[in-house]
Amino acid sequence: KQEVTQIPAALSVPEGENLVLNCSFTDSAIYNLQWFRQDPGKGLTSLLLIQSSQREQTSGRLNASLDKSSGRSTLYIAASQPGDSATYLCAVNQAGANSKLTFGKGITLSVRP
Amino acid sequence: GAVVSQHPSWVICKSGTSVKIECRSLDFQATTMFWYRQFPKQSLMLMATSNEGSKATYEQGVEKDKFLINHASLTLSTLTVTSAHPEDSSFYICSARDRRVGETQYFGPGTRLLVL
Repeated sequence: KQEVTQIPAALSVPEGENLVLNCSFTDSAIYNLQWFRQDPGKGLTSLLLIQSSQREQTSGRLNASLDKSSGRSTLYIAASQPGDSATYLCAVNQAGANSKLTFGKGITLSVRP
Repeated sequence: GAVVSQHPSWVICKSGTSVKIECRSLDFQATTMFWYRQFPKQSLMLMATSNEGSKATYEQGVEKDKFLINHASLTLSTLTVTSAHPEDSSFYICSARDRRVGETQYFGPGTRLLVL
């Protein structure tokens, strides 16, 4: 059974700092991996999707990497801003039918002005 | 981009009543929709996978008679929480897959359910 772990559960940084959010998964037979952002009481916003054949994806100040063999992904946020404060969820799409997503518990990020 | 809506956004009901939550794909056809539940400070847990025109597939531990799912059209799936109890209070989120863009799931804004 796939398990996705995100540590630490919470992180507080000063504005402007570059930071890395980690995600690990136990079963490397994945189809793709997604990073989501969730604001309090809201739904999910997809940030980046990395296919299993890719090593990284970039969007603006965000860069996500994938090392499938070691079961790890990182989300790099450059020049963090208070507006980046949210919970960041990592989800793994297992290879096979129905594309089930297995989510980590998320990392709650607080960027201090 | 693909948009998924949910209605209602929040609902308060008395214990024992049934609540229906709608999930709609607004600008694409979703052959598959997924229903998740999220408890405070916890991750999303998949409840069931709903395929248009067929019965939903429920995850282990999810009571199919309590959480009724109907996916009658390519743009609408409904989740009905029957005889709701306080322990059913949670944040319910749906997602829809647009086959035109592969396996990407697009998520709705969620429905907050509070059972008194």
